Amino acid sequence: AQTVTQSQPEMSVQEAETVTLSCTYDTSESDYYLFWYKQPPSRQMILVIRQEAYKQQNATENRFSVNFQKAAKSFSLKISDSQLGDAAMYFCACPYSGGGADGLTFGKGTHLIIQP
Amino acid sequence: DTGVSQDPRHKITKRGQNVTFRCDPISEHNRLYWYRQTLGQGPEFLTYFQNEAQLEKSRLLSDRFSAERPKGSFSTLEIQRTEQGDSAMYLCASIPFQGQETQYFGPGTRLLVL
Repeated sequence: AQTVTQSQPEMSVQEAETVTLSCTYDTSESDYYLFWYKQPPSRQMILVIRQEAYKQQNATENRFSVNFQKAAKSFSLKISDSQLGDAAMYFCACPYSGGGADGLTFGKGTHLIIQP
Repeated sequence: DTGVSQDPRHKITKRGQNVTFRCDPISEHNRLYWYRQTLGQGPEFLTYFQNEAQLEKSRLLSDRFSAERPKGSFSTLEIQRTEQGDSAMYLCASIPFQGQETQYFGPGTRLLVL
């Protein structure tokens, strides 16, 4: 099974500021997907952004973007113009095995606090 | 709303009892996944199905755990002889087909074993 490491148990950012959440992973696959999921308190997991490993270009979804460094196996999430609704647990995920449709391995998560 | 649904949302049981959870994936999603999430941790992969076939099981899925998806639609996860260490959130997710890897998660079933 693959591994995912999120080294920041908690991060705090002022509203409207930018914050970056870090993630490193380990996989033996050459073609795979990487994901950031958000889990608000007592609510279900929702996808924030995903990256296909064969694509050089970093994925972007509105205020969310990633810095994907394939050789370093690094996949950080940048949230710009932070909003109160961004407060949640954020989980980085890579494939449990295979390229991505065979289940996911998640990190332990980063608790993001937005200060008004 | 046609998202992934799970039932029950909460379950309290005594150690040694059997429990069964149900997951209804999004209609026509052919892959279905089960995860376990303990407090303060990320979800851990348990098993997944493609239609009715169970294709992979993690080492976390001990002999006391069994999952089925008999008609390729809803799935059940049964835990026999529950232990206090089974207390966790059990999450279900689905995708429409391989090649569309984004998983859609249900709200989870929170299990407490006393």
